[in-house]
Amino acid sequence: GAGVSQTPSNKVTEKGKYVELRCDPISGHTALYWYRQSLGQGPEFLIYFQGTGAADDSGLPNDRFFAVRPEGSVSTLKIQRTERGDSAVYLCASSPRASYGYTFGSGTRLTVV
Amino acid sequence: AQSVAQPEDQVNVAEGNPLTVKCTYSVSGNPYLFWYVQYPNRGLQFLLKYITGDNLVKGSYGFEAEFNKSQTSFHLKKPSALVSDSALYFCAVSYGNNRLAFGKGNQVVVIP
Repeated sequence: GAGVSQTPSNKVTEKGKYVELRCDPISGHTALYWYRQSLGQGPEFLIYFQGTGAADDSGLPNDRFFAVRPEGSVSTLKIQRTERGDSAVYLCASSPRASYGYTFGSGTRLTVV
Repeated sequence: AQSVAQPEDQVNVAEGNPLTVKCTYSVSGNPYLFWYVQYPNRGLQFLLKYITGDNLVKGSYGFEAEFNKSQTSFHLKKPSALVSDSALYFCAVSYGNNRLAFGKGNQVVVIP
């Protein structure tokens, strides 16, 4: 597609449930990033993929968060046992390589009730 | 550690007047700096970046930014603001593995 696509655009889930957030990067982009944006804050880095492997997962807040990119294209961010504090907008971005500046998707707004 | 400060929560400016959004940064090594804009319920849109070279960087929609190494600043500017420029603006600095550290953002309100 022409841009980075994220689905769903909105997700409401109950505390304790499992959720998956999907990111479809721009075709051919090898680098993929996940960020989390809480209300009134700037985005915070979660994880970076170069190809299929997670090159840097230092931003994941705890072991309830996990992300995969099995074929080097689509990525899924997985959150287990969701908590109300996980409520935020989750942003995905991609770039042709680990170059400076990348294209963001519109995000998934996650609300944990 | 890397960090970005955007000291003003909101910037109000009359349409047609110059717009400035302030940003200071802290990072080890050479700074690679960015400005993004966010409209309601939309993702971040890239405006401009400084990697090296001329300290005055020109970007999208008539925006420009000036890199000042001695003041560790990267202020965003537009000579004549439009109502459609009303949005949330984020300054960011790149660090290891091309991650970005963002400021908290500035809400710009352009008054007709």
